[in-house]
Amino acid sequence: DTGVSQNPRHKITKRGQNVTFRCDPISEHNRLYWYRQTLGQGPEFLTYFQNEAQLEKSRLLSDRFSAERPKGSFSTLEIQRTEQGDSAMYLCASSPGQGVLGQFFGPGTRLTVL
Amino acid sequence: GENVEQHPSTLSVQEGDSAVIKCTYSDSASNYFPWYKQELGKRPQLIIDIRSNVGEKKDQRIAVTLNKTAKHFSLHITETQPEDSAVYFCALEVGGGNKLTFGTGTQLKVEL
Repeated sequence: DTGVSQNPRHKITKRGQNVTFRCDPISEHNRLYWYRQTLGQGPEFLTYFQNEAQLEKSRLLSDRFSAERPKGSFSTLEIQRTEQGDSAMYLCASSPGQGVLGQFFGPGTRLTVL
Repeated sequence: GENVEQHPSTLSVQEGDSAVIKCTYSDSASNYFPWYKQELGKRPQLIIDIRSNVGEKKDQRIAVTLNKTAKHFSLHITETQPEDSAVYFCALEVGGGNKLTFGTGTQLKVEL
């Protein structure tokens, strides 16, 4: 499968626990994006990377959220001290960059915080 | 920041009819306008997009039109089929390769 992949697909955790999600972009895509989607809403931007550099973070991304893309390939999104309001679908997308537009999404990780 | 309004929120059409979804925006610097289709429980799928220097783009049964002066863009689906039933999101981008701002979605139902 040459598309964007995300793991795990589902995560159930208790409030206060830490969780980490992984995204593997399409090979050779320079840009990687994280979005959050709640039921009945469109995806909301969280952060994005150009290679290993994190270029922008949304105000939605509180101090409990951190994202990395250490080698410019896969990325991880960590949520510390989870809250019930963090329950959502976390979507990753990638794009070629270099003037080529179009973001392609992964299947998402559905987080449920009990 | 960018703001995108999408209408209607739900749309029901008979198979074979056309469907039109419209989005309006406020930031005149917006320069890229994609449309995504999302089936229940699945990822958003890019179905068509348009850049600000183009007024219309067509791909088989789907087309997108852009009116930069009025700041709105629309998705047109002709000869609708049951498999077109899904939620459709418009989106826009300011700059190049940056974040997307999404509309609130339109639930399209194509009835037999």
